[in-house]
Amino acid sequence: SQQGEEDPQALSIQEGENATMNCSYKTSINNLQWYRQNSGRGLVHLILIRSNEREKHSGRLRVTLDTSKKSSSLLITASRAADTASYFCATPSSGTYKYIFGTGTRLKVLA
Amino acid sequence: DAMVIQNPRYQVTQFGKPVTLSCSQTLNHNVMYWYQQKSSQAPKLLFHYYDKDFNNEADTPDNFQSRRPNTSFCFLDIRSPGLGDAAMYLCATSSLNRDRQETQYFGPGTRLLVL
Repeated sequence: SQQGEEDPQALSIQEGENATMNCSYKTSINNLQWYRQNSGRGLVHLILIRSNEREKHSGRLRVTLDTSKKSSSLLITASRAADTASYFCATPSSGTYKYIFGTGTRLKVLA
Repeated sequence: DAMVIQNPRYQVTQFGKPVTLSCSQTLNHNVMYWYQQKSSQAPKLLFHYYDKDFNNEADTPDNFQSRRPNTSFCFLDIRSPGLGDAAMYLCATSSLNRDRQETQYFGPGTRLLVL
C-alpha cells in the first residue's frame, strides 16, 4: 500500500500542553500537507510545506519535513480543547492528481 | 464565500435502493474528488475528475458511479447500496498550478446510512 503512516494513532493531552504527531511516507514528493478533521465533518487544510522547506509555522502550528527520512511532524503548541480532532498528512501521488493520506492521529485535548 | 457544498448532509437509504449524493463548488477548480471515509479511517479515494476526464480507482466497486456535468457540479451515484457502503462521503476540489503545489478543499461530507 502507498498509504502513509502516522503515529501515534491516538494522543490524549491536557490543555496547554504541546502535541506532536508524525507522518511517514513512501515516495518522493514535492510537497506535504496537513489537514484537520473535526468529528463528523470534512477535512480542513492546515498547512502545506514544500520539499525544499525544512520547517514552516502557522500560528500555533509548526511543521517540519525531512525528505531524507521521508517524514514530517506537526507540532501544536499550547493546545486547546478546540484542537480536539483527527489530523491527517497527505502527499501528492507522483504523476497524478491524487493525494495519499496518512492513517491519521486522533488528538484529544482535555480541559 | 467560495466553497465546496455537499447535499444532503445526511442521507438514509434502503438496502439496494439507488442513491445520489451531490457536490458543488464555487472555486472554479478543475479537479474534483470523491472519497469514502469509514469510522476512524483515512479518506479512501473512489475517483476523481480532471475537468471532464474521469479517473476511477482500481479498487472502486462498480456499484459506484460518478457524473460531472459541468465544472461546478459532481455527483456520486450508488446503484445498489449495501450495508458496507454506509460511510461518510467527502467531496473535494483542487486547482493545479504550474508547480503542482495545490491544496485540496473539502466539503462538509454526506453521511450515508443504509437500512
